[in-house]
Amino acid sequence: AQKITQTQPGMFVQEKEAVTLDCTYDTSDPSYGLFWYKQPSSGEMIFLIYQGSYDQQNATEGRYSLNFQKARKSANLVISASQLGDSAMYFCAMRGPNAGGTSYGKLTFGQGTILTVHP
Amino acid sequence: EPEVTQTPSHQVTQMGQEVILRCVPISNHLYFYWYRQILGQKVEFLVSFYNNEISEKSEIFDDQFSVERPDGSNFTLKIRSTKLEDSAMYFCASTQNMVSIYSNQPQHFGDGTRLSIL
Repeated sequence: AQKITQTQPGMFVQEKEAVTLDCTYDTSDPSYGLFWYKQPSSGEMIFLIYQGSYDQQNATEGRYSLNFQKARKSANLVISASQLGDSAMYFCAMRGPNAGGTSYGKLTFGQGTILTVHP
Repeated sequence: EPEVTQTPSHQVTQMGQEVILRCVPISNHLYFYWYRQILGQKVEFLVSFYNNEISEKSEIFDDQFSVERPDGSNFTLKIRSTKLEDSAMYFCASTQNMVSIYSNQPQHFGDGTRLSIL
């Protein structure tokens, strides 16, 4: 079974500083995908960044980058130059094969980390 | 940019009543999902749907739940006899094409329906 763990219930960062949100995962499948979503207080889920298990390089999308350490099974999100609008809940999620070995895209989510950006 | 649309944004229902949550996925998407998020908790997978049938479901998705795609555009989640513990945010999501574990295709989420059971 797949499992995602986010050990930081809450994080604080000063505006314009960088922050790292931790995510570790557990799976016996060699092929999987890792996603980060942002959930503002309004509730919607916003896709941020993706990392495939076979990707050689860490993913980057603007101010978001993913520190992917496959051997440690970690996929930490780094947000550079934090902005007040980055204050939100952040979820790490994994997509991989289901028990039958085929993937219909089901996502398994971590518990989330609430990020607060201070001015 | 195309988006997943969910209605209503907030539904208040008496315990024991049936409720139908509606979703319009992105038009060329083929894989559809429902997730649930109890207040303050993580997002949990309920069910995936492809080619007009359920492809996978979680333990949460018991006989009280059903899904259908009645007209080729809407994708609905029905709860037959609601319980207090069904109170949650329900998210619909869709993915474009053959879901590959190698693909970087994200699931596109709707804004959610907040279901409150009284």
